[in-house]
Amino acid sequence: AQSVAQPEDQVNVAEGNPLTVKCTYSVSGNPYLFWYVQYPNRGLQFLLKYITGDNLVKGSYGFEAEFNKSQTSFHLKKPSALVSDSALYFCAVRDLSNYQLIWGAGTKLIIKP
Amino acid sequence: ETGVTQTPRHLVMGMTNKKSLKCEQHLGHNAMYWYKQSAKKPLELMFVYNFKEQTENNSVPSRFSPECPNSSHLFLHLHTLQPEDSALYLCASSQGNGETQYFGPGTRLLVL
Repeated sequence: AQSVAQPEDQVNVAEGNPLTVKCTYSVSGNPYLFWYVQYPNRGLQFLLKYITGDNLVKGSYGFEAEFNKSQTSFHLKKPSALVSDSALYFCAVRDLSNYQLIWGAGTKLIIKP
Repeated sequence: ETGVTQTPRHLVMGMTNKKSLKCEQHLGHNAMYWYKQSAKKPLELMFVYNFKEQTENNSVPSRFSPECPNSSHLFLHLHTLQPEDSALYLCASSQGNGETQYFGPGTRLLVL
């Protein structure tokens, strides 16, 4: 079965330090992978996606994600965290049978000053 | 974020009430979605409309009834809901089915 896992419920990072939010997936075939961010009392905002090509994908707000096929991972990264990056982050993979997104449970990112 | 709007933003209703959630997208997209978001759980896809035709219904109880009169508007009609239906209901749209989705701010629903 196709699935997405975000192994960490919460990640704490000091401001200015690099951050990583982990995502692993299970899907047959070539995956389409997405990251979204949700700020309090807001809807989800699209950050970036991987479809094909360069394994390092750059997105909004200085975020990037690295596609690793052998490890079936698509971790979200940022070189220097900001307090304003504190939010809920969701990873998703497109279901190849019906094109709908399969979502992870989300990771709460807390950036401390 | 103003590309997809949702009203109302907050709704409190009793189990015998009937209410409707509204979603409107200003992005010229052809697909629209309803999701249910509960704390610490993955988003649950409820319904998908593609060119006004319903293409997905993920075993949603009949107390939730969607309506898509055109590609820009999507409604979710609610009746005789249960307290466990309390959640954030998100609308999204995309250019085509399976493409990048853009979300509205959601309706926070509380069923008493």
